[in-house]
Amino acid sequence: EAGVVQSPRYKIIEKKQPVAFWCNPISGHNTLYWYLQNLGQGPELLIRYENEEAVDDSQLPKDRFSAERLKGVDSTLKIQPAELGDSAVYLCASSLGPGGGIQYFGAGTRLSVL
Amino acid sequence: DQQVKQNSPSLSVQEGRISILNCDYTNSMFDYFLWYKKYPAEGPTFLISISSIKDKNEDGRFTVFLNKSAKHLSLHIVPSQPGDSAVYFCAASAGGNKLVFGAGTILRVKS
Repeated sequence: EAGVVQSPRYKIIEKKQPVAFWCNPISGHNTLYWYLQNLGQGPELLIRYENEEAVDDSQLPKDRFSAERLKGVDSTLKIQPAELGDSAVYLCASSLGPGGGIQYFGAGTRLSVL
Repeated sequence: DQQVKQNSPSLSVQEGRISILNCDYTNSMFDYFLWYKKYPAEGPTFLISISSIKDKNEDGRFTVFLNKSAKHLSLHIVPSQPGDSAVYFCAASAGGNKLVFGAGTILRVKS
């Protein structure tokens, strides 16, 4: 069975440019998460989806970040415009249901903003 | 406010010996704890978990111990192998909500 798939793996952009990350969760997993991981730190939750609904987006900087999960499967995270401080690894994870439990992570997208 | 703390940034052990990774938490509402392992350029991989109703969970070479009164958990790896060299993250959740991660501990197993 395929794991969580993320693309692209790496992205280099100039500041003020837009960027988008894509995530395909494990089949049958209703809960999807986007995390931000800065160097030397653990992942921090940006947004959590239960099917199509964003149930926790309290940590998402809504002035420049947006996310969507159409049809309750794939998800896209967008940054517009990107800032230097957005350079980090963006991780997507999924789990079976809203009970939390084990989350399975993708390999992440490493973003460099120049 | 760091709710989950891994105070040792790195740990080095000899192959075949025991590795002990520690984690402390402050939120008494946490009821589920997990350990993830991360290799370079890969996402975190689930290793082992424990519910707050237990004080020990074992899976092969990996054992997690939970001391609720001290708000402390530890991961024991016995025997340690060179392939165990990775970054280990402790994570916790309350009532099935978001995972809160520690900053990680780099484990290096020397052969």
